[in-house]
Amino acid sequence: DGGITQSPKYLFRKEGQNVTLSCEQNLNHDAMYWYRQDPGQGLRLIYYSQIVNDFQKGDIAEGYSVSREKKESFPLTVTSAQKNPTAFYLCASSTSRHTINEQFFGPGTRLTVL
Amino acid sequence: AQSVTQPDIHITVSEGASLELRCNYSYGATPYLFWYVQSPGQGLQLLLKYFSGDTLVQGIKGFEAEFKRSQSSFNLRKPSVHWSDAAEYFCAVGPNTGNQFYFGTGTSLTVIP
Repeated sequence: DGGITQSPKYLFRKEGQNVTLSCEQNLNHDAMYWYRQDPGQGLRLIYYSQIVNDFQKGDIAEGYSVSREKKESFPLTVTSAQKNPTAFYLCASSTSRHTINEQFFGPGTRLTVL
Repeated sequence: AQSVTQPDIHITVSEGASLELRCNYSYGATPYLFWYVQSPGQGLQLLLKYFSGDTLVQGIKGFEAEFKRSQSSFNLRKPSVHWSDAAEYFCAVGPNTGNQFYFGTGTSLTVIP
């Protein structure tokens, strides 16, 4: 079955630690996205990537970093510079910039900073 | 600037009643519009999408939406709500030339027996 996987489902971290969230897709999609979701605020774009080895900042990129070394993978690192990292993180993918299609979402990772 | 507004933060309906969730958008070009549903602690699932053609689109789970260009709206409807429809609903528009999508803040639906 094609889809997007995110791991882990729940993640706990101590203040001052970096943590990496995994996102893998086997849909052969070119574009991948990371969103942060907080209650009452909908989805806010952190980073997105349209092709391998290229990515762009979204609306709330500060304190986050990403890499796109493979088409299938788009890991997100939450650094210690992120002041309020506790949130639900969603990864998504879509087909290339040359076609119009919807985004497909992973099941999400809930990050809690202790 | 592109944006999506969902005016209703929370809606409560009785099971079997009809439902309409509102969505208004601001978009500089021809909009591509989407409705997604999210159950607690889960990812988003696509209900339906509008790209062109017939302005009334049918989706999964008995949902439909109507695109009204003159009102910049894309409201979601269901004639008879089931208890399993309780969830968070998001309207989205995009992608822009940079392949970004824009989401509303969501409407939380509660279904009472």
